[in-house]
Amino acid sequence: TAGITQAPTSQILAAGRSMTLRCTQDMRHNAMYWYRQDLGLGLRLIHYSNTAGTTGKGEVPDGYSVSRANTDDFPLTLASAVPSQTSVYFCASSEKGNNEQFFGPGTRLTVL
Amino acid sequence: GQNIDQPTEMTATEGAIVQINCTYQTSGFNGLFWYQQHAGEAPTFLSYNVLDGLEEKGRFSSFLSRSKGYSYLLLKELQMKDSASYLCAVRDSNYQLIWGAGTKLIIKP
Repeated sequence: TAGITQAPTSQILAAGRSMTLRCTQDMRHNAMYWYRQDLGLGLRLIHYSNTAGTTGKGEVPDGYSVSRANTDDFPLTLASAVPSQTSVYFCASSEKGNNEQFFGPGTRLTVL
Repeated sequence: GQNIDQPTEMTATEGAIVQINCTYQTSGFNGLFWYQQHAGEAPTFLSYNVLDGLEEKGRFSSFLSRSKGYSYLLLKELQMKDSASYLCAVRDSNYQLIWGAGTKLIIKP
């Protein structure tokens, strides 16, 4: 079982450009999450989705958008990237009522 | 505001025992989690506490005191592969996880 996959693994992006980070899970989990992880800071929730068709804002949603058209996919879009969005982005999923979140391998994004 | 505090870095010797502390102040409490994260990899789930007391799982144990807003992760019989960051996270009243910055554990032979 693949679990959660993310693409790309890493990317260098020019400021002002748009980009979509992809996340796919094959565990049929209801809930999915996008976090960013920066040195010296804890994981910060960007957006989440409790079930297909619904999304919510996390702690740091500005500059990011998400969609949840189906159970498996939860893409994260940066409409106009800025250098402060340089970070490692993790996608995660969990089954409703379950405590454990499963994480994808991450995407390392550098915005210049 | 919400806050999770844990030491930035700890060093321990192979075969020894180490305790990693975590204190928290959050809006509501619906459980505390410990995750392990090796450098360059994704976090992986270690333990979950929602009631006071000790949860033991092999070489790893996790303790919770809700009245003190305090938890610790105890690692016994340390192995070199235990070198990693250990992340403490609290699920708040909105059922979202609030994460600490993590404790980098360095194991020396």
